[in-house]
Amino acid sequence: ETGVTQSPTHLIKTRGQQVTLRCSSQSGHNTVSWYQQALGQGPQFIFQYYREEENGRGNFPPRFSGLQFPNYSSELNVNALELDDSALYLCASSPSQANTEAFFGQGTRLTVV
Amino acid sequence: EDQVTQSPEALRLQEGESSSLNCSYTVSGLRGLFWYRQDPGKGPEFLFTLYSAGEEKEKERLKATLTKKESFLHITAPKPEDSATYLCAVQPGSSNTGKLIFGQGTTLQVKP
Repeated sequence: ETGVTQSPTHLIKTRGQQVTLRCSSQSGHNTVSWYQQALGQGPQFIFQYYREEENGRGNFPPRFSGLQFPNYSSELNVNALELDDSALYLCASSPSQANTEAFFGQGTRLTVV
Repeated sequence: EDQVTQSPEALRLQEGESSSLNCSYTVSGLRGLFWYRQDPGKGPEFLFTLYSAGEEKEKERLKATLTKKESFLHITAPKPEDSATYLCAVQPGSSNTGKLIFGQGTTLQVKP
């Protein structure tokens, strides 16, 4: 158990809809990163939040956005869902921006139909 | 371009048959190299961090090593419960964030 919890665990959405995924970071961790993992692939970095500010972004369009709250929990929002957004979305928390030894949650499986 | 390549993509071993997984990387400066284990449908589980060439770390039947261009995950006398996908990731030195660049993983199956 890493102490990083994500909700929901599974979700089915229709193309064009919007979705919000949630992550509670491990106690004492102030940095949260989000990753997208397509089937059979390694995770891809979406963005990182440090002390409520976005601190780095991967190659994802603006319809992927996020928030971090004062308790360091985080949300990932995806607008105008596309079929290719179907994936496992992973949240990782770490004690600092350097992300040394980041710990992952169990993920949210999003299916877009 | 920063890149991580893992080989083989899949590996089948008999219980007790030792082997190694490879992770080759190209990165602009290396802050750290990470190994994770991932079971189907679950999030990656942290195993090791390596920071400099020549460094080695061990945990039970697993041993990770690092050179300037690659890392190996050695599995000694594996058991069926070691079956999983093993992911390698690097943290580029050029980035001031914690961005990790992952390989595609090696799926290990250990048969009893």
